[in-house]
Amino acid sequence: EAGVVQSPRYKIIEKKQPVAFWCNPISGHNTLYWYRQNLGQGPELLIRYENEEAVDDSQLPKDRFSAERLKGVDSTLKIQPAELGDSAVYLCASSLGRGENIQYFGAGTRLSVL
Amino acid sequence: QKEVEQNSGPLSVPEGAIASLNCTYSDRVSQSFFWYRQYSGKSPELIMSIYSNGDKEDGRFTAQLNKASQYVSLLIRDSQPSDSATYLCAVNNGGGFKTIFGAGTRLFVKA
Repeated sequence: EAGVVQSPRYKIIEKKQPVAFWCNPISGHNTLYWYRQNLGQGPELLIRYENEEAVDDSQLPKDRFSAERLKGVDSTLKIQPAELGDSAVYLCASSLGRGENIQYFGAGTRLSVL
Repeated sequence: QKEVEQNSGPLSVPEGAIASLNCTYSDRVSQSFFWYRQYSGKSPELIMSIYSNGDKEDGRFTAQLNKASQYVSLLIRDSQPSDSATYLCAVNNGGGFKTIFGAGTRLFVKA
């Protein structure tokens, strides 16, 4: 069974440029998470989806970040415009949902904003 | 006070020793507790989950939970150099399905 797939693995952009990350969760997993992980820190939740509904986006900087999960499967996280402080690893995770909350992580996207 | 606190380490143990990793949490209604291992440059992978007070063993790993003390720990017996990684404690509050991660403890196992 395929795990959580993320792309790209690495992205280097200049500040003020837009960037997008893509995630394909484990088949059958209803819950999808986007996290940001800074060096030496644990993952911090940006947004959580239950199927196609964003149920927790309280930590998402909505002035520059946006996300969508069309048809309740794949998801895209976008930053526009990127700032230097956005450099981090962006992790996508999925879980079965319906009370089962063990999360499985993708390989992540390492973003460097120059 | 952080919601999930871990000793940042690094924790250094000799090969074959027991490594003890600790985690405290602030939300008393927390119901699910997880330990993830993260190798440098890799994503977190689940090692253990624990939901009720007491010990849960899986191979060389034992998770211990004490809800009254709001404390969860991970013991690694017969530590191996391949266990060298950052260990993340994660706590889920159940009803809201919100999982909070600690900052992680770096473990070094010396051969």
